Amino acid sequence: NAGVMQNPRHLVRRRGQEARLRCSPMKGHSHVYWYRQLPEEGLKFMVYLQKENIIDESGMPKERFSAEFPKEGPSILRIQQVVRGDSAAYFCASSPRGGSADTQYFGPGTRLTVL
Amino acid sequence: EDQVTQSPEALRLQEGESSSLNCSYTVSGLRGLFWYRQDPGKGPEFLFTLYSAGEEKEKERLKATLTKKESFLHITAPKPEDSATYLCAVQAEGSSASKIIFGSGTRLSIRP
Repeated sequence: NAGVMQNPRHLVRRRGQEARLRCSPMKGHSHVYWYRQLPEEGLKFMVYLQKENIIDESGMPKERFSAEFPKEGPSILRIQQVVRGDSAAYFCASSPRGGSADTQYFGPGTRLTVL
Repeated sequence: EDQVTQSPEALRLQEGESSSLNCSYTVSGLRGLFWYRQDPGKGPEFLFTLYSAGEEKEKERLKATLTKKESFLHITAPKPEDSATYLCAVQAEGSSASKIIFGSGTRLSIRP
């Protein structure tokens, strides 16, 4: 009964490179959420997706960031042309239904370091 | 604006010394309030969901309670393994589907 899986766990990129973070939700869950946790700060919502649909991207920066959750395969958070300020822990969560205070279960996170 | 404030920021207790963590929230309408535990370098681990004022839930040494303005996480006779950051989060009515807003957390340290 695997939980939410994220990979890689650690990712190092140089400024200007692209970062791709992957998230596989818990079995039976079709709703995925991405959060960012900056050092010494709380978790901040970025985007909420269902299969093949972006439901809410209000927390995602307008430029360089994109997310997808294809019909097959994991959800991907993509950061183009990374900058030092993108260094953070990125967490993915999943839930079975997506509404009415549906509990979100978190993965272990991907720690992105931009050199 | 929806807001979640946790206090204290950090709390150091002796093993066996009971205490409470506070989570105050301001939302237009509450769908649910969540408590998570986060260990260093790991993702948040789900503890409780509370839906309405007066509700209480317990798990081992932890008990969560909810009023219309705040929630408390009571820790009874804590052990060193209870040391972690405890996160409170709320889901507000009217917000898109399942977006939840997190507080900054309380770092709990239990000395043996």
